[in-house]
Amino acid sequence: EPEVTQTPSHQVTQMGQEVILRCVPISNHLYFYWYRQILGQKVEFLVSFYNNEISEKSEIFDDQFSVERPDGSNFTLKIRSTKLEDSAMYFCASHVGLAGGQETQYFGPGTRLLVL
Amino acid sequence: QQPVQSPQAVILREGEDAVINCSSSKALYSVHWYRQKHGEAPVFLMILLKGGEQKGHEKISASFNEKKQQSSLYLTASQLSYSGTYFCGTRETSGSRLTFGEGTQLTVNP
Repeated sequence: EPEVTQTPSHQVTQMGQEVILRCVPISNHLYFYWYRQILGQKVEFLVSFYNNEISEKSEIFDDQFSVERPDGSNFTLKIRSTKLEDSAMYFCASHVGLAGGQETQYFGPGTRLLVL
Repeated sequence: QQPVQSPQAVILREGEDAVINCSSSKALYSVHWYRQKHGEAPVFLMILLKGGEQKGHEKISASFNEKKQQSSLYLTASQLSYSGTYFCGTRETSGSRLTFGEGTQLTVNP
């Protein structure tokens, strides 16, 4: 069964460093998302992406964040200058389309980011 | 605006039933239910679209009352594998962001 994959599974970085989190959505999916989850808290929406542009972004998604779909398969989240409060699990999700059940979002396994 | 889930936590014995509620102050297009086990990704359970339908998935089913903007997840004859945190996610329009509630921690004991 097709699934969303993410790399790396864990990333440790120093405050101020840039990180790139990578996702490979399910191949026929057209809508892509990034979420984050701080330990013990709820899942928070960061950004949605469709047709090579951002559809919607949250208040969390400030100028330090960017997303890109550099080729036909990868979807990346870049944090330019990491802060301690960026430490969280980052999930990528995707879905097929906009009709009913096609909006079911499937989540990747996540990347645990730790900023020291 | 995030949906409100209740209860925050529930402890069951294997075989018992549970209901988890999710309500919103805004008109909703859809409600999505996920289960998350510790350290893992949320796993999709079901999606409910406005129309008041009830959906089922083995012993887990859900309903969506469009007029009240409320959804309930029903877990019957619970199994140990049902343990985890259940999140509802809501969408106000087709394609809009999925906003999650705080979650309901379900523990099923033998």
